[in-house]
Amino acid sequence: DGGITQSPKYLFRKEGQNVTLSCEQNLNHDAMYWYRQDPGQGLRLIYYSQIVNDFQKGDIAEGYSVSREKKESFPLTVTSAQKNPTAFYLCASSIDRYRGSLNSYNEQFFGPGTRLTVL
Amino acid sequence: AQKVTQAQTEISVVEKEDVTLDCVYETRDTTYYLFWYKQPPSGELVFLIRRNSFDEQNEISGRYSWNFQKSTSSFNFTITASQVVDSAVYFCALSGGSQGNLIFGKGTKLSVKP
Repeated sequence: DGGITQSPKYLFRKEGQNVTLSCEQNLNHDAMYWYRQDPGQGLRLIYYSQIVNDFQKGDIAEGYSVSREKKESFPLTVTSAQKNPTAFYLCASSIDRYRGSLNSYNEQFFGPGTRLTVL
Repeated sequence: AQKVTQAQTEISVVEKEDVTLDCVYETRDTTYYLFWYKQPPSGELVFLIRRNSFDEQNEISGRYSWNFQKSTSSFNFTITASQVVDSAVYFCALSGGSQGNLIFGKGTKLSVKP
């Protein structure tokens, strides 16, 4: 079945530790995204990657890092520099927005999320 | 700047009632897309609908219907004869973020009681 997987579902981190959240998709999508969700809030963009080996910072990239070595994978590392990392993290993917007609905009498909808690 | 406002933080209804979730957006783009997503307690966002700014036709899909009014910058979502399984957080989103991302509202938590 095609889809997006995220692991682990729950993650606990001690202060000062780096942790990496996994995101894999087998939808053959070019674009991948990481969002952060806090209680009662919408989703805020952390990082975005349109193609392999390329990614851009989103609105709240400080304290996070990513890599995109393979089309299928877009791991997110939460570093010790992120002062308030406890949140729900969602990974998404979509067909490259620049394919197809000009100004086309394809829906994003989301993974099941990882809930990160700092102890 | 792009912005999505979902003024209703929480709504509680009894099963079989109709309920409308409001979404108001702001954008300077002439072409844009609007989305609704459902987030059940499991956490995963489920895509419900995408609407192009040039298509103002209302849409109905089973018990779900969407009313898009460009004149009032609104894209409201109605659930007819609500069911307990409709309990979730619903997000409205707008295309056009600077990174190609979606701009999300803060969501409306819908609780449907039996």
